[in-house]
Amino acid sequence: DTGVSQDPRHKITKRGQNVTFRCDPISEHNRLYWYRQTLGQGPEFLTYFQNEAQLEKSRLLSDRFSAERPKGSFSTLEIQRTEQGDSAMYLCASQAVVPGEQYFGPGTRLTVT
Amino acid sequence: GEDVEQSLFLSVREGDSSVINCTYTDSSSTYLYWYKQEPGAGLQLLTYIFSNMDMKQDQRLTVLLNKKDKHLSLRIADTQTGDSAIYFCAEWSGAAGNKLTFGGGTRVLVKP
Repeated sequence: DTGVSQDPRHKITKRGQNVTFRCDPISEHNRLYWYRQTLGQGPEFLTYFQNEAQLEKSRLLSDRFSAERPKGSFSTLEIQRTEQGDSAMYLCASQAVVPGEQYFGPGTRLTVT
Repeated sequence: GEDVEQSLFLSVREGDSSVINCTYTDSSSTYLYWYKQEPGAGLQLLTYIFSNMDMKQDQRLTVLLNKKDKHLSLRIADTQTGDSAIYFCAEWSGAAGNKLTFGGGTRVLVKP
Protein backbone atom coordinates (compact mmCIF):
# COMPACT_ATOMS: atom_id res chain seq x y z
CA ASP A 1 0.00 0.00 0.00
CA THR A 2 1.59 3.26 -1.07
CA GLY A 3 -1.01 5.64 0.42
CA VAL A 4 -0.68 8.02 3.34
CA SER A 5 -0.55 6.18 6.67
CA GLN A 6 -1.15 7.47 10.18
CA ASP A 7 -0.45 5.99 13.58
CA PRO A 8 -2.18 5.44 15.90
CA ARG A 9 -5.69 5.28 14.45
CA HIS A 10 -7.27 5.96 17.83
CA LYS A 11 -5.91 7.53 21.01
CA ILE A 12 -7.69 8.00 24.31
CA THR A 13 -5.87 10.13 26.84
CA LYS A 14 -6.56 11.96 30.05
CA ARG A 15 -6.62 15.72 30.22
CA GLY A 16 -3.16 17.13 30.84
CA GLN A 17 -1.26 14.29 29.17
CA ASN A 18 0.95 14.69 26.11
CA VAL A 19 0.23 12.80 22.89
CA THR A 20 2.18 12.34 19.67
CA PHE A 21 0.86 11.26 16.29
CA ARG A 22 2.82 10.08 13.27
CA CYS A 23 2.15 10.51 9.56
CA ASP A 24 3.96 8.74 6.72
CA PRO A 25 3.23 10.48 3.42
CA ILE A 26 3.26 8.98 -0.04
CA SER A 27 6.86 8.39 -1.00
CA GLU A 28 8.49 11.36 -2.75
CA HIS A 29 5.65 13.75 -1.93
CA ASN A 30 7.46 16.82 -0.71
CA ARG A 31 4.42 18.58 0.74
CA LEU A 32 2.84 17.32 3.96
CA TYR A 33 -0.21 18.84 5.66
CA TRP A 34 -1.95 18.46 9.00
CA TYR A 35 -5.66 19.19 9.37
CA ARG A 36 -8.07 18.87 12.27
CA GLN A 37 -11.68 17.77 11.87
CA THR A 38 -14.29 18.03 14.59
CA LEU A 39 -17.62 16.23 14.50
CA GLY A 40 -19.94 17.51 11.79
CA GLN A 41 -17.37 19.90 10.32
CA GLY A 42 -15.00 19.94 7.40
CA PRO A 43 -11.25 19.62 7.97
CA GLU A 44 -9.43 22.78 9.09
CA PHE A 45 -5.85 23.49 8.13
CA LEU A 46 -3.25 23.37 10.92
CA THR A 47 0.18 23.46 9.28
CA TYR A 48 2.21 22.28 6.31
CA PHE A 49 5.76 21.30 5.41
CA GLN A 50 7.70 21.64 2.20
CA ASN A 51 10.30 18.90 2.66
CA GLU A 52 11.60 19.47 6.22
CA ALA A 53 10.65 23.16 6.40
CA GLN A 54 7.46 24.14 8.21
CA LEU A 55 6.20 26.98 6.02
CA GLU A 56 2.83 27.93 7.45
CA LYS A 57 0.95 27.52 10.74
CA SER A 58 -2.69 28.28 11.37
CA ARG A 59 -3.71 30.39 14.34
CA LEU A 60 -5.58 27.22 15.41
CA LEU A 61 -2.16 25.79 16.27
CA SER A 62 -1.67 26.98 19.82
CA ASP A 63 1.64 26.89 21.68
CA ARG A 64 0.73 23.45 22.98
CA PHE A 65 0.95 22.03 19.46
CA SER A 66 4.19 21.30 17.69
CA ALA A 67 4.90 19.53 14.42
CA GLU A 68 8.12 18.27 12.92
CA ARG A 69 9.31 16.64 9.74
CA PRO A 70 12.98 16.13 10.52
CA LYS A 71 14.18 14.35 7.40
CA GLY A 72 11.53 15.49 4.98
CA SER A 73 9.78 12.13 5.09
CA PHE A 74 7.47 11.24 8.02
CA SER A 75 6.03 13.89 10.31
CA THR A 76 4.95 14.00 13.94
CA LEU A 77 2.33 16.18 15.60
CA GLU A 78 2.61 16.56 19.37
CA ILE A 79 -0.01 18.04 21.66
CA GLN A 80 1.16 18.93 25.14
CA ARG A 81 -1.13 19.24 28.17
CA THR A 82 -4.15 18.01 26.25
CA GLU A 83 -7.54 19.63 26.83
CA GLN A 84 -11.01 18.27 26.14
CA GLY A 85 -11.34 20.72 23.28
CA ASP A 86 -8.47 18.93 21.52
CA SER A 87 -10.73 15.93 20.94
CA ALA A 88 -10.99 15.61 17.16
CA MET A 89 -9.82 13.66 14.13
CA TYR A 90 -6.31 14.67 13.09
CA LEU A 91 -5.76 14.18 9.37
CA CYS A 92 -2.53 14.14 7.45
CA ALA A 93 -2.27 14.68 3.70
CA SER A 94 0.52 14.73 1.17
CA GLN A 95 0.95 16.34 -2.20
CA ALA A 96 3.54 16.05 -4.93
CA VAL A 97 2.69 18.98 -7.18
CA VAL A 98 1.34 22.38 -6.14
CA PRO A 99 -1.50 22.88 -6.83
CA GLY A 100 -2.65 19.38 -7.52
CA GLU A 101 -3.95 16.23 -5.93
CA GLN A 102 -3.79 16.12 -2.15
CA TYR A 103 -4.16 12.65 -0.67
CA PHE A 104 -5.34 12.04 2.88
CA GLY A 105 -4.50 9.38 5.41
CA PRO A 106 -7.13 7.55 7.51
CA GLY A 107 -6.71 9.98 10.42
CA THR A 108 -6.00 9.66 14.13
CA ARG A 109 -9.06 10.06 16.32
CA LEU A 110 -8.13 11.67 19.65
CA THR A 111 -10.43 11.51 22.65
CA VAL A 112 -9.44 13.51 25.72
CA THR A 113 -11.29 12.47 28.88
CA GLY B 1 -11.19 35.75 3.51
CA GLU B 2 -12.15 32.46 2.00
CA ASP B 3 -15.41 30.68 2.78
CA VAL B 4 -16.94 27.53 1.33
CA GLU B 5 -20.62 26.67 1.85
CA GLN B 6 -22.54 23.46 1.24
CA SER B 7 -26.05 22.25 1.99
CA LEU B 8 -26.15 19.83 4.91
CA PHE B 9 -28.13 16.89 3.62
CA LEU B 10 -29.31 15.17 0.45
CA SER B 11 -31.55 12.13 0.17
CA VAL B 12 -31.75 10.27 -3.13
CA ARG B 13 -33.20 7.01 -4.41
CA GLU B 14 -30.89 4.32 -5.70
CA GLY B 15 -30.48 4.64 -9.46
CA ASP B 16 -31.34 8.36 -9.54
CA SER B 17 -28.81 11.15 -10.06
CA SER B 18 -27.47 13.12 -7.10
CA VAL B 19 -26.43 16.75 -7.36
CA ILE B 20 -24.36 18.26 -4.56
CA ASN B 21 -23.85 22.02 -4.59
CA CYS B 22 -21.11 24.24 -3.23
CA THR B 23 -20.42 27.96 -3.24
CA TYR B 24 -17.13 29.67 -2.53
CA THR B 25 -16.04 33.24 -2.09
CA ASP B 26 -12.37 33.40 -3.06
CA SER B 27 -12.21 34.55 -6.67
CA SER B 28 -8.53 33.67 -6.85
CA SER B 29 -9.23 29.97 -6.32
CA THR B 30 -7.27 27.99 -8.85
CA TYR B 31 -8.43 24.43 -8.20
CA LEU B 32 -11.66 23.11 -6.72
CA TYR B 33 -11.95 19.62 -5.30
CA TRP B 34 -14.51 17.04 -4.28
CA TYR B 35 -13.72 14.55 -1.52
CA LYS B 36 -15.78 11.67 -0.12
CA GLN B 37 -15.66 10.59 3.53
CA GLU B 38 -17.20 7.40 4.85
CA PRO B 39 -17.83 6.93 8.60
CA GLY B 40 -14.64 6.82 10.64
CA ALA B 41 -12.44 7.11 7.56
CA GLY B 42 -10.16 9.67 5.98
CA LEU B 43 -10.99 11.67 2.89
CA GLN B 44 -10.98 10.07 -0.55
CA LEU B 45 -10.19 12.37 -3.46
CA LEU B 46 -12.93 11.97 -6.07
CA THR B 47 -12.08 14.59 -8.64
CA TYR B 48 -10.95 18.17 -9.09
CA ILE B 49 -11.32 20.90 -11.66
CA PHE B 50 -9.09 23.75 -12.70
CA SER B 51 -10.73 27.15 -12.52
CA ASN B 52 -10.44 27.79 -16.27
CA MET B 53 -12.68 24.79 -17.00
CA ASP B 54 -16.49 24.70 -17.03
CA MET B 55 -17.00 20.99 -16.78
CA LYS B 56 -15.15 17.77 -16.07
CA GLN B 57 -16.51 14.26 -16.44
CA ASP B 58 -15.03 11.15 -14.86
CA GLN B 59 -17.12 7.98 -15.22
CA ARG B 60 -20.27 8.53 -13.10
CA LEU B 61 -19.05 11.90 -11.81
CA THR B 62 -19.63 15.25 -13.51
CA VAL B 63 -18.28 18.48 -12.06
CA LEU B 64 -19.75 21.80 -13.21
CA LEU B 65 -18.11 25.12 -12.40
CA ASN B 66 -19.74 28.52 -12.76
CA LYS B 67 -16.85 30.84 -12.02
CA LYS B 68 -18.95 34.00 -12.37
CA ASP B 69 -21.33 32.86 -9.61
CA LYS B 70 -18.58 30.99 -7.70
CA HIS B 71 -20.74 27.87 -7.77
CA LEU B 72 -19.51 24.30 -8.03
CA SER B 73 -21.59 21.15 -8.32
CA LEU B 74 -20.96 17.41 -8.33
CA ARG B 75 -23.39 15.16 -10.14
CA ILE B 76 -23.32 11.45 -9.43
CA ALA B 77 -25.12 9.43 -12.08
CA ASP B 78 -26.90 6.15 -11.22
CA THR B 79 -26.38 6.65 -7.49
CA GLN B 80 -25.65 3.45 -5.56
CA THR B 81 -25.99 2.61 -1.86
CA GLY B 82 -22.18 2.65 -1.67
CA ASP B 83 -22.32 6.35 -2.54
CA SER B 84 -23.85 7.10 0.88
CA ALA B 85 -21.22 9.25 2.59
CA ILE B 86 -20.30 12.85 3.38
CA TYR B 87 -19.06 14.86 0.41
CA PHE B 88 -16.78 17.84 0.88
CA CYS B 89 -15.91 20.50 -1.63
CA ALA B 90 -12.66 22.37 -1.14
CA GLU B 91 -10.88 25.24 -2.79
CA TRP B 92 -7.19 25.73 -3.30
CA SER B 93 -5.99 29.28 -3.37
CA GLY B 94 -2.32 30.11 -3.32
CA ALA B 95 -3.28 33.73 -2.58
CA ALA B 96 -4.98 32.73 0.68
CA GLY B 97 -2.19 30.46 1.74
CA ASN B 98 -1.05 27.16 0.34
CA LYS B 99 -3.80 24.98 1.70
CA LEU B 100 -7.25 23.57 1.05
CA THR B 101 -10.27 25.31 2.54
CA PHE B 102 -13.18 22.92 3.03
CA GLY B 103 -16.91 23.32 3.20
CA GLY B 104 -18.85 21.76 6.05
CA GLY B 105 -19.82 18.71 4.02
CA THR B 106 -23.06 17.35 2.54
CA ARG B 107 -24.35 14.09 3.94
CA VAL B 108 -25.80 11.97 1.12
CA LEU B 109 -28.18 9.18 1.99
CA VAL B 110 -29.06 6.73 -0.78
CA LYS B 111 -32.32 4.88 -0.23
CA PRO B 112 -32.96 1.51 -1.90
